[in-house]
Amino acid sequence: DSGVTQTPKHLITATGQRVTLRCSPRSGDLSVYWYQQSLDQGLQFLIQYYNGEERAKGNILERFSAQQFPDLHSELNLSSLELGDSALYFCASSPQWGDEQFFGPGTRLTVL
Amino acid sequence: GESVGLHLPTLSVQEGDNSIINCAYSNSASDYFIWYKQESGKGPQFIIDIRSNMDKRQGQRVTVLLNKTVKHLSLQIAATQPGDSAVYFCAERWAGNQFYFGTGTSLTVIP
Repeated sequence: DSGVTQTPKHLITATGQRVTLRCSPRSGDLSVYWYQQSLDQGLQFLIQYYNGEERAKGNILERFSAQQFPDLHSELNLSSLELGDSALYFCASSPQWGDEQFFGPGTRLTVL
Repeated sequence: GESVGLHLPTLSVQEGDNSIINCAYSNSASDYFIWYKQESGKGPQFIIDIRSNMDKRQGQRVTVLLNKTVKHLSLQIAATQPGDSAVYFCAERWAGNQFYFGTGTSLTVIP
């Protein structure tokens, strides 16, 4: 158990819908990272937050957004969902930025 | 219909043998590298890391080698065990805080 929690574990929704994925980092970690893992693309970095502020952006679509709250938990919002958004979404946390990341168990999103 | 997925390199080894997993990274300016292990249905798990000012680092049963000249990273697992069966990813750090992951190698340990 890495100490990072993600909810929900599974999510099934329809195209065009909007969902919110939640992540609680390890106690004391200030950085949160979001990744997408799909069958045909491997593990893709989406976005990173540090102590409430966005620090880095990767391959994140404009339909996706994220935020980190004062209590350091983070949410990833996915809107106008498409079939191709079906994937595992992982959250990871680290004490500062740029160091070892601890991954949560992931949320499996299925868009029908 | 048939599902299309990422075609991961695969490595099969006998239990007790040593395993070597290779990774080519992309950015010559990357300064920090991590190997992760991902078991089926779980998130990636940290194994070992190395900074760019080193060329070798050893952990418990694992060794990472870094060759910056050819942008190559390898993970050596000694006395491979069935519990080592998983997908292994290397990750490189760009610009201080962005990590990019390789496609992974699937390791199968034959009892």
